[in-house]
Amino acid sequence: AQSVTQLDSHVSVSEGTPVLLRCNYSSSYSPSLFWYVQHPNKGLQLLLKYTSAATLVKGINGFEAEFKKSETSFHLTKPSAHMSDAAEYFCVVSDNSGTYKYIFGTGTRLKVLA
Amino acid sequence: DAGITQSPRHKVTETGTPVTLRCHQTENHRYMYWYRQDPGHGLRLIHYSYGVKDTDKGEVSDGYSVSRSKTEDFLLTLESATSSQTSVYFCAISESSPGQPYGYTFGSGTRLTVV
Repeated sequence: AQSVTQLDSHVSVSEGTPVLLRCNYSSSYSPSLFWYVQHPNKGLQLLLKYTSAATLVKGINGFEAEFKKSETSFHLTKPSAHMSDAAEYFCVVSDNSGTYKYIFGTGTRLKVLA
Repeated sequence: DAGITQSPRHKVTETGTPVTLRCHQTENHRYMYWYRQDPGHGLRLIHYSYGVKDTDKGEVSDGYSVSRSKTEDFLLTLESATSSQTSVYFCAISESSPGQPYGYTFGSGTRLTVV
């Protein structure tokens, strides 16, 4: 069975400082992993995805994530936070059995302080 | 979101009444999914479809049914709405292939309140 754990439900950073959102996964085989962002009262937007190619994945808006198999982690980072980054972020592992069901983490709400 | 629309966007309904939510896509994607989003739970899969008339249950399917008679439409029905089904419902589409999960495209969501 697959699962994903987001280690922080809330993260606060000051504008211009680095962002780190942590995600650990569990999978019985090589997973596909995603990060999605949801701004208030909006739908979900794909930030980046890992599908067994390069372990360092670059996404939109300056975000990136590194797949570390030995640590079963897929943490999301950004060098410098912007006010517009305030949102909820979801780490997702994909079931690659053929139906491609997503298993979502419970989310991390990022607050950016001026 | 481009290519996928949900209707209605907002609905208030009474306990015990049936409710149908519609997801419509113009992308001709094979896979369609219904999720519900609740605070502290992230998104949880209700039902999904892997083709016309091909559907299966997700982790929170009790009290819900689905139908897919055309590629472009995926309907979610609450057979007899309860207050515990108050939630935001998201539809998603995908056209993945083995070894190449492309990721989902999500609709804008339907906010359902059961009173």
